[in-house]
Amino acid sequence: DAGVIQSPRHEVTEMGQEVTLRCKPISGHDYLFWYRQTMMRGLELLIYFNNNVPIDDSGMPEDRFSAKMPNASFSTLKIQPSEPRDSAVYFCASSLGGPLGGGALETQYFGPGTRLLVL
Amino acid sequence: GQNIDQPTEMTATEGAIVQINCTYQTSGFNGLFWYQQHAGEAPTFLSYNVLDGLEEKGRFSSFLSRSKGYSYLLLKELQMKDSASYLCAVRDISNYQLIWGAGTKLIIKP
Repeated sequence: DAGVIQSPRHEVTEMGQEVTLRCKPISGHDYLFWYRQTMMRGLELLIYFNNNVPIDDSGMPEDRFSAKMPNASFSTLKIQPSEPRDSAVYFCASSLGGPLGGGALETQYFGPGTRLLVL
Repeated sequence: GQNIDQPTEMTATEGAIVQINCTYQTSGFNGLFWYQQHAGEAPTFLSYNVLDGLEEKGRFSSFLSRSKGYSYLLLKELQMKDSASYLCAVRDISNYQLIWGAGTKLIIKP
């Protein structure tokens, strides 16, 4: 399997622009997670999906952030409008099962990340 | 509340052994994960503990004591490629959240 695929790998944009990050989870994984990582705040869960349905979006910073999963093999995270404080590495991860699955089912596999810089 | 503590940074010598500690406080507990993250890369899964005791995987071992809210990752025969950050994450069963520690940056010196 190719693992979790994310695009773009790097994104530089100007404040106020729309940014769309893309993710393809590992085939057969029912759970998909979006994380943000910064030096100051570490790894933060933004939102996660189960079978394409958003389950918990309490980590989404504000209305400027939105995420969709139109099918089992594709998800997007959109920031509109972007701000300099959104600069971070955004990771997508997937797992076979969810929170009660136990080790092998719960283990999350991360994509390479998208490095976002908002000027 | 929920809290995970790990040392911010540790230094060790190539060929030696190092122990990275993780203490946690959660309302409920249902497993602890260790991940390795090289600079500029994604976290990768190392180990999972849900019962007390030691889990060994080659040069890496992970220990858990649920009563003490404590885990450690033991790395033996250190290699330069082990220089990375090591993240501890705990499953809190009370809200199903996976709580992530800030990570321990391990520096290996020749």
